[in-house]
Order: sequence, then structure tokens, then C-alpha cells
Amino acid sequence: DVKVTQSSRYLVKRTGEKVFLECVQDMDHENMFWYRQDPGLGLRLIYFSYDVKMKEKGDIPEGYSVSREKKERFSLILESASTNQTSMYLCASSLDIPYEQYFGPGTRLTVT
Amino acid sequence: AQRVTQPEKLLSVFKGAPVELKCNYSYSGSPELFWYVQYSRQRLQLLLRHISRESIKGFTADLNKGETSFHLKKPFAQEEDSAMYYCACSGSARQLTFGSGTQLTVLP
Repeated sequence: DVKVTQSSRYLVKRTGEKVFLECVQDMDHENMFWYRQDPGLGLRLIYFSYDVKMKEKGDIPEGYSVSREKKERFSLILESASTNQTSMYLCASSLDIPYEQYFGPGTRLTVT
Repeated sequence: AQRVTQPEKLLSVFKGAPVELKCNYSYSGSPELFWYVQYSRQRLQLLLRHISRESIKGFTADLNKGETSFHLKKPFAQEEDSAMYYCACSGSARQLTFGSGTQLTVLP
């Protein structure tokens, strides 16, 4: 079974803080993704990576950055958290495009 | 850019009734279409993809290129089908585009 794990299930941060969300997959997948999930808006792609040290912007990259130093780990960074970044963040991985994406359990981030 | 539209945010049906969740996409090429499902307190998971042409948990979906639709259907809904359903499209870009989701509730 593919396992995608995320570092925290719940996180509360203050406005202006730097926030790190980490994602690890154990199936040697090439591709990894970060989404945010909001009611009525569905899943929106923030960034994705198709190889170590490679990254591409998704649909809503503003205010976020990512890091992929190792194949199994993909980090999402909020440089200066703002209240409009309060959301559920989902990480996913896949062997290739457009194969099945496997999702982590999500991190519910609240920025106060 | 590819776009996926799910016109119904909420859908309620009675147990045993047929159910159809609508999905329309806009993409000029030949897309890959998927349905993902998220049950309460579980992670998002793949339900089915059009290229497999299989039935999963009684659900089927047919790609209609003329109408650019990929509606999800089940002839007899069950209470355990209650979940959030997302349609997704993969085109030339190396990413999936998701719709806004439909919350299905199957009433007893």
C-alpha cells in the first residue's frame, strides 16, 4: 500500500509566521503535489514536482514556496502566513502523469 | 487551460434510487478523466478513471466527447455512498485539474 504521510493533522499559526508543511511518500513516486482544499472551490494545485529539485507552479502559487531535496519528501512553505491561507492542505504523489494520485490525510492549518 | 465544472454542490437521493453526479470539462485535446471520492474522515482516493472502463462499487462513468461530459452514475444508491465526489481532468499539462466537488447524501 502506498503511504503518504503529512507532518501534522492540525496546525495553528499566527499571522506573519513562517510555516513548514512536510509530506513523505514511501513508494518511490516521481511526482508530488500540494493542493489546498476549500469548501465550494474544490482542490486547487499550489505547486508540484516531477523530480528531485524540480518544481512547477500550479494554479495558486502566490504566497507559497516548495522544496524537494529528496525524492520521498516534498515541503510546502508559507513564508509569511496570512489569514487567507487558513485551509486544508493535501499532499499527493503519483508514479506518473496521468496515473492515480495517492493522497495524504491532510493538514488543517488555521492562521490567526 | 483545462477546466472542470461540477454544477451541483449538494445532491440528496433516497436509498435505492438512481444517482447521477454531473461533470463537464473543457479541454481541446484528448483528456484523461477521473472520479475521486472522499468519505467522512478518510483521505481522498481514486474511485475510477475513464480509460479503465470498469465499474467500481457499482459506479460507472462514460466519457462523452461530444458533450465534453463525464457523469458518474449508479443505478441504486446505498447509504455508504454518501461522500464528497470530485471529477478531475488531466490534459497536456503534467497536472490534474479538479472540479469544485459534489457532496452526495443518500437518505435512508
